[in-house]
Amino acid sequence: QVRLVQSGAEVKKPGASVKVSCKASGYTFIAYYIHWVRQAPGQGLEWMGWINPHSGGTNLAQKFQGRVTMTRDTPISMAYMEVTRLRSDDTAIYYCAMGGAIKLNYWGQGTPVTVSS
Amino acid sequence: SSELTQDPVVSVALGQTVRITCQGDNLRTFSASWYQQKPGQAPVLVISDNNNRPSGIPDRFSGSSSRNTASLTITGAQAEDEADYYCNSRGSSGDHVVFGGGTKLTVL
Repeated sequence: QVRLVQSGAEVKKPGASVKVSCKASGYTFIAYYIHWVRQAPGQGLEWMGWINPHSGGTNLAQKFQGRVTMTRDTPISMAYMEVTRLRSDDTAIYYCAMGGAIKLNYWGQGTPVTVSS
Repeated sequence: SSELTQDPVVSVALGQTVRITCQGDNLRTFSASWYQQKPGQAPVLVISDNNNRPSGIPDRFSGSSSRNTASLTITGAQAEDEADYYCNSRGSSGDHVVFGGGTKLTVL
């Protein structure tokens, strides 16, 4: 069965960076996009972007361009999402999800990231 | 504000039918998918491409779309259907993804 297992919770100071990992299994890794979606406390879902594991190409929401990097390591079916210059409003649960360009079929368990001085 | 608009709160009596809607100009051109999120859990895809139900999703969940509105219908709502529901589709730029603001469904 499809599984996406994410790295554990992080606590960071403002201005630092965080890198979240997502280990995929149960399907052909390069055949589906990996999306990243975040959810601030008590808020809705916010799409951040996707990476095409086959080509490495990315498509980021405009507000994250220049501050977010998405990468992958295909031999080990891992995807990564790094956010730099963290701010307090980056405090959120970060999810990876696999699917097509728009449809998100399966989601990881989420990685809480807290930004606090 | 989101390009996709959802009612923030909807309620339904146990066993009755409820429709949750998602409005946006993008939906005239692109299909919508629906996700269920229970407290403390990751979202789960319940309807894709307007009206396709993934395996394992109960058949009381169905979807439809007309003009600029996509709808998720739960026929015979159960207590376990109480959750937040989000729609998503392509954004106006065509290559981005957008989510609706979410609808909190209460089963009375």
